[in-house]
Amino acid sequence: AQKVTQAQTEISVVEKEDVTLDCVYETRDTTYYLFWYKQPPSGELVFLIRRNSFDEQNEISGRYSWNFQKSTSSFNFTITASQVVDSAVYFCALSERWRIIFGKGTRLHILP
Amino acid sequence: EAGVTQFPSHSVIEKGQTVTLRCDPISGHDNLYWYRRVMGKEIKFLLHFVKESKQDESGMPNNRFLAERTGGTYSTLKVQPAELEDSGVYFCASSLSGISGELFFGEGSRLTVL
Repeated sequence: AQKVTQAQTEISVVEKEDVTLDCVYETRDTTYYLFWYKQPPSGELVFLIRRNSFDEQNEISGRYSWNFQKSTSSFNFTITASQVVDSAVYFCALSERWRIIFGKGTRLHILP
Repeated sequence: EAGVTQFPSHSVIEKGQTVTLRCDPISGHDNLYWYRRVMGKEIKFLLHFVKESKQDESGMPNNRFLAERTGGTYSTLKVQPAELEDSGVYFCASSLSGISGELFFGEGSRLTVL
């Protein structure tokens, strides 16, 4: 069965430090999507990225970057030069047919 | 453009009572999903509508939960009778093209059953 593991329950870093959130997944599908969502204190889930399993190129969007490695079934997320506004819970997720399987989330605290 | 809206944002009820949660998806989005997160656990899929039809309701925990989407617009999720373990945050999401497109989530409805 599909599974997403985010081993880091909670991380605290000082502002301006870089931080990487780990995500490991299990799937039997040959075609699938991987996602990252951010849940700020306001509660909504904010879409950050969707990656197709055929596209292993790393992606950078501003201070955010994602490292997809199929060989290790990982889809890690790095925030460079973190800011206090990055404090949130971050969820990694995996597609299973028409639904999304979420990891338990990593709570990130950026300390001023 | 309005996002996915959910109502109420927070509901506190007694065990055995009934609660109805409402979700208004983004206009034009045929795909509507319900997810929930109980305390300390993963966000879990409940069901998926395509227009007014239930595509997949395999995630519904039991028959105390009933979801409807009349006319393919807004959706309701009724819990009757509510139990303590139903407490959590219920998220609604909508998309234009299923998971190959972007899922837009609402802010969630927090349910507390006492």
